[in-house]
Amino acid sequence: DIQMTQSPSSLSASVGDRVTITCRASQHIRHYLNWYQEKPGKAPKLLIYSASSLQIGVPSRFSGSGYATDFTLTINSLQPEDIATYYCQQSYTIPWTFGQGTKVDMK
Amino acid sequence: QVQLVESGGGVVQPGRSLTLSCAASGFTFDYYAMHWVRQAPGKGLEWLTFISDDGNDKYYADSVQGRFTISRDNSKNTLFLEMSSLKAADTAIYFCARQPESGRTLDYWGQGTLVTVSS
Repeated sequence: DIQMTQSPSSLSASVGDRVTITCRASQHIRHYLNWYQEKPGKAPKLLIYSASSLQIGVPSRFSGSGYATDFTLTINSLQPEDIATYYCQQSYTIPWTFGQGTKVDMK
Repeated sequence: QVQLVESGGGVVQPGRSLTLSCAASGFTFDYYAMHWVRQAPGKGLEWLTFISDDGNDKYYADSVQGRFTISRDNSKNTLFLEMSSLKAADTAIYFCARQPESGRTLDYWGQGTLVTVSS
């Protein structure tokens, strides 16, 4: 199975900060990398698909980049509603696998 | 709007069976492949299983292979997950999720249903 490793596991940031989360795959996954946001008691929400495509309705302060094994989720100008846990997920091959999550909270 | 509503969770004893349902609305269900994903308490997301739009192709994670069965009834816009030989490690929130027609991602998720395996 492909292992997905996110860093950091958690971070604290202030409103307006730029936040960067990285995700590394244990093998080449081309652009088959997705990012999700999860808030307690709510359904996970797709933010970015195919490494860099913004899902419809997601604010443009979210962006994704990367290819092959190294990927990044960036939140430009963090907002209070962005407090959540973020997961990367590879869809290159079955079984699809998720990173362990990055918890973002407000400093 | 797209809605996915899971049901059927609850408390079940180890070794017993349980079937979850996911009612879909707001889209043409039989155009879309579907997945189940779970989240154990305090843990991350774990992909479990996939079913194609016509139900002919199915894949499973090793952790549930042989114990869980995914199925669908396109006439009723409903996805199922039959779970047998349940273990304490299966305790989790179970989410159904939709795969878009043209992508390898999960674009809509339900809110989940909690399964607790305990004696």
